[in-house]
Amino acid sequence: ETGVTQTPRHLVMGMTNKKSLKCEQHLGHNAMYWYKQSAKKPLELMFVYSLEERVENNSVPSRFSPECPNSSHLFLHLHTLQPEDSALYLCASSLKLGDWDNEQFFGPGTRLTVL
Amino acid sequence: AQSVAQPEDQVNVAEGNPLTVKCTYSVSGNPYLFWYVQYPNRGLQFLLKYITGDNLVKGSYGFEAEFNKSQTSFHLKKPSALVSDSALYFCAVRAHNAGNMLTFGGGTRLMVKP
Repeated sequence: ETGVTQTPRHLVMGMTNKKSLKCEQHLGHNAMYWYKQSAKKPLELMFVYSLEERVENNSVPSRFSPECPNSSHLFLHLHTLQPEDSALYLCASSLKLGDWDNEQFFGPGTRLTVL
Repeated sequence: AQSVAQPEDQVNVAEGNPLTVKCTYSVSGNPYLFWYVQYPNRGLQFLLKYITGDNLVKGSYGFEAEFNKSQTSFHLKKPSALVSDSALYFCAVRAHNAGNMLTFGGGTRLMVKP
């Protein structure tokens, strides 16, 4: 275990549903990330937070809405998703944004299926 | 822009044989290079990194990687493969002052057969 947990591990939702993914880290890290991992595609960085402030939004559609209430918790709110949004959503954390030699610690991911 | 290429979708190795998983990169300036491994139904797990110094980097589970600046490569190696090494391996790069983006390669599936 890396100290980063994600819930739920699996989620099936319809296109009109609203759901949220949760990530929690117990490592005392200041930076948190959301990634999307699809089959046959490289890992895509979606959002970056540093000390609860969003510092990166990589042209992600507005149907994905992140929230970082504190440095230990990160949410991804989902609304009106499309079937092509089905993927593994990975949360990660690192010690401090800007220390570029820090490795990232990943959670186990949420496997999302949009029907 | 920075990029990473993992030219092999899959590498097959017999248990006990040496293994190599290839990675080449493109960045402006000096790179920070990482290898991660992903086991089934798990997130990515850090293996090793090159920041500066000795070109041969040793990491977890007996893995090592060699940074070659002239060939812009950072191949992952292990002298003797185990069946339990079977997993998906990702190379990643970040350049100095490249912002927050850690760019990952497409991944290479390593299959070690008994």
